[in-house]
Amino acid sequence: NAGVTQTPKFQVLKTGQSMTLQCAQDMNHEYMSWYRQDPGMGLRLIHYSVGAGITDQGEVPNGYNVSRSTTEDFPLRLLSAAPSQTSVYFCASSYSVTSRWVETQYFGPGTRLLVL
Amino acid sequence: KQEVTQIPAALSVPEGENLVLNCSFTDSAIYNLQWFRQDPGKGLTSLLLIQSSQREQTSGRLNASLDKSSGRSTLYIAASQPGDSATYLCAVILRSGGSYIPTFGRGTSLIVHP
Repeated sequence: NAGVTQTPKFQVLKTGQSMTLQCAQDMNHEYMSWYRQDPGMGLRLIHYSVGAGITDQGEVPNGYNVSRSTTEDFPLRLLSAAPSQTSVYFCASSYSVTSRWVETQYFGPGTRLLVL
Repeated sequence: KQEVTQIPAALSVPEGENLVLNCSFTDSAIYNLQWFRQDPGKGLTSLLLIQSSQREQTSGRLNASLDKSSGRSTLYIAASQPGDSATYLCAVILRSGGSYIPTFGRGTSLIVHP
């Protein structure tokens, strides 16, 4: 298994540009989520999904859109990039939110985004 | 709102020492708690997950305990090695209706020198 993969690894955007961060997992996980990590702060949840066709907002959803058309993929869209969105973005997945014993979160390697 | 605090923020120790990393949280109605390791420029790797009904979990030289009533978890690292150098994060999961909301601490940066 490749686990959780993210593309691109690095990206530089200009203010106002849009882009999509890709996330895919091959573990048949139901739960997928996006976080951002900023210096001096813990990871913060942006959006999450409990299955195909179901998404919900996390702690910091403004400026981001998500969709979940398949179990494997969970892309994060920046609608109009702002310098405040400069961060490292992590995608994570886990087997099932309903299984008490198999909820370990698996993280991707991250995407480093710089918005000028 | 759940707040998660990790103490100390940074730690530098010689190889071989036994270590205790602390994680405290404000809302004791947690679903579970998870400890992660993050190497520089990398993603997070899960170390241990403790369900709310459990008191501790062990994996090799790592032992994590959970005391919900006091809002605390500790990660114990026995006989530390240079390869243990990384940032250690704890995450607390709250269940709110049908949602599972994670809150991360800011981490403890650990350096183990030979």
